[in-house]
Amino acid sequence: AQRVTQPEKLLSVFKGAPVELKCNYSYSGSPELFWYVQYSRQRLQLLLRHISRESIKGFTADLNKGETSFHLKKPFAQEEDSAMYYCALKEGAQKLVFGQGTRLTINP
Amino acid sequence: DTAVSQTPKYLVTQMGNDKSIKCEQNLGHDTMYWYKQDSKKFLKIMFSYNNKELIINETVPNRFSPKSPDKAHLNLHINSLELGDSAVYFCASSQAWDRTNYGYTFGSGTRLTVV
Repeated sequence: AQRVTQPEKLLSVFKGAPVELKCNYSYSGSPELFWYVQYSRQRLQLLLRHISRESIKGFTADLNKGETSFHLKKPFAQEEDSAMYYCALKEGAQKLVFGQGTRLTINP
Repeated sequence: DTAVSQTPKYLVTQMGNDKSIKCEQNLGHDTMYWYKQDSKKFLKIMFSYNNKELIINETVPNRFSPKSPDKAHLNLHINSLELGDSAVYFCASSQAWDRTNYGYTFGSGTRLTVV
């Protein structure tokens, strides 16, 4: 059963427009969620974790337990935000389960 | 100073061959992982080791054998390579007890192409 779902494989927005990358999860316990980003030809990097309630590179994500969602948002997209974004759920002590990923393209 | 390093970066080999990919981390983390990223960019866990002990083994064919000589190294050996093994293999590490800063640090990946 899919535990992390990113419904959009591809998302394209114009520079300066708001961005929202969707992530839904299914987990019976108390979830710990993360967003990872992979820029072109680079390694996967941790973008943010819900437990820290941080904002990184202008991105935020709020855990909504009622909707079982952890959408990633940015009010004004920049061209350098173009990348592959993965939502991940921590299962058990150490395993991260990743969603299918969303390729975000920011058009000039 | 690279935190998680994998070698080689690229590997092209023929079907039926045996090959190894190496991974080393200098972060002092206690857990290491192998993930496979397929052509559709889907990331799936294969193995995890905690302090040299295998803790996750996700229905991977037994042609794949991980080996962890110490907690800073996790190697992946693949026997009798098949076309379907072509993918990018990522190594990662984490510190299990560090709840506040928990997250994986990934290597740069090994692109394996089986011809």
